[in-house]
Amino acid sequence: DAEITQSPRHKITETGRQVTLACHQTWNHNNMFWYRQDLGHGLRLIHYSYGVHDTNKGEVSDGYSVSRSNTEDLPLTLESAASSQTSVYFCASSEFPGEGQETQYFGPGTRLLVL
Amino acid sequence: AQSVTQLDSQVPVFEEAPVELRCNYSSSVSVYLFWYVQYPNQGLQLLLKYLSGSTLVKGINGFEAEFNKSQTSFHLRKPSVHISDTAEYFCAVSGGDYGGSQGNLIFGKGTKLSVKP
Repeated sequence: DAEITQSPRHKITETGRQVTLACHQTWNHNNMFWYRQDLGHGLRLIHYSYGVHDTNKGEVSDGYSVSRSNTEDLPLTLESAASSQTSVYFCASSEFPGEGQETQYFGPGTRLLVL
Repeated sequence: AQSVTQLDSQVPVFEEAPVELRCNYSSSVSVYLFWYVQYPNQGLQLLLKYLSGSTLVKGINGFEAEFNKSQTSFHLRKPSVHISDTAEYFCAVSGGDYGGSQGNLIFGKGTKLSVKP
């Protein structure tokens, strides 16, 4: 069965370190998204991609970057981790054409703690 | 600014009772509407969505939602809940004049449904 996986599932890091969270999907979806989930805020969009080599900033992109070198993967990098980036991170994917009607399929999440 | 408002952050209910989770949105144009569910320590999964046509939408696990354009609402209902429905429920919109792209979802802050025996 097709799926979307995230690794690691849990991560503890220190302030100032670079951290990369992996997201891999086998749906062959063109669209991929990164969200963060915080109490009282719901899910907020960090970055998204509509295809290989395409990346776009979302609502809360400061301090984060992504790159898309193939269809299956969209890694999220925290350039210099800050305590404010302690959160649960979700990756999601949806199929083309990205007009808003598509169902998004979510990964299980990564819990990140920045000390 | 456009927004999605889930009016209740927590809803406690007894097993087999009916439940309604409320969602309102603001937009001057047509949108697509979604309800997602998140079970403890899991990712989100789609419950149902409204794209067009009939305003009453049926989803998985016995849930349904009604789109009301005049009231800009998309409330989620279930006539009889089970313990297994305990989860957090998110209303979301896309299309219209939301976000930086029509394909992006804007989520509400979530409603935690707690079903008690």
